[in-house]
Amino acid sequence: EIVLTQSPGTLSLSPGERATLSCRASQSVNNKCLAWYQQKPGQAPRLLIYGASSRATGIPDRFSGSGSGTDFTLTISRLEPEDFAVYYCQQYVTSPLTFGGGTKVEIK
Amino acid sequence: QVQLQESGPGLVKPSGTLSLTCAVSGDSIASSKWWNWVRQPPGKGLEWIGEIYPSGSTNYNPSLKSRLSMSVDKSKDQFSLRLTSVTAADTAVYYCASRIFGDIRRSAFDYWGQGILVTVSS
Repeated sequence: EIVLTQSPGTLSLSPGERATLSCRASQSVNNKCLAWYQQKPGQAPRLLIYGASSRATGIPDRFSGSGSGTDFTLTISRLEPEDFAVYYCQQYVTSPLTFGGGTKVEIK
Repeated sequence: QVQLQESGPGLVKPSGTLSLTCAVSGDSIASSKWWNWVRQPPGKGLEWIGEIYPSGSTNYNPSLKSRLSMSVDKSKDQFSLRLTSVTAADTAVYYCASRIFGDIRRSAFDYWGQGILVTVSS
């Protein structure tokens, strides 16, 4: 099983600042089969990034993903008020599919 | 636009069976997709439960495999989850979700249901 470790657990930032979220895998995630999701309270997760760096339909370009192998990053270039939420990474290259523990981006 | 909607009992007794259904609209359940279940205990992270292809082929999380079964009903465009011998640890919001089959790099969970809270309690 591929274990995904996200850091930091909580990120306290102000609107307009840059957010950098990390996801580290216990073994290589082949074919860059790594996704990022955003989840707000009481809502289902929403796909932001797939294939490590491709934005899903309708996702603003302030969201970007990068990385390969075991180290991946989600960057939000300038935080908007609606971006404060919990973010999860997920690998879907091998079963069982696994999620990271999440990073909460909160308003400072 | 694919829409997914979970339904089922919100309360299940310990040692009982949890049964949920996900109705698919805006697409056919016979299309080239994996149909998934994901759960989230209150205040915690996401856990993948398993998935089923329209042919009936399944992939299950090993941690749940001995208690889990999934099925597809093509005539109703819906798929189902059955989890036996439940305990309080199975209390969670259960989501259904889809991902495409074939292009592995694109095969993330692109559509999700709104989720249904299932509580295991006597």
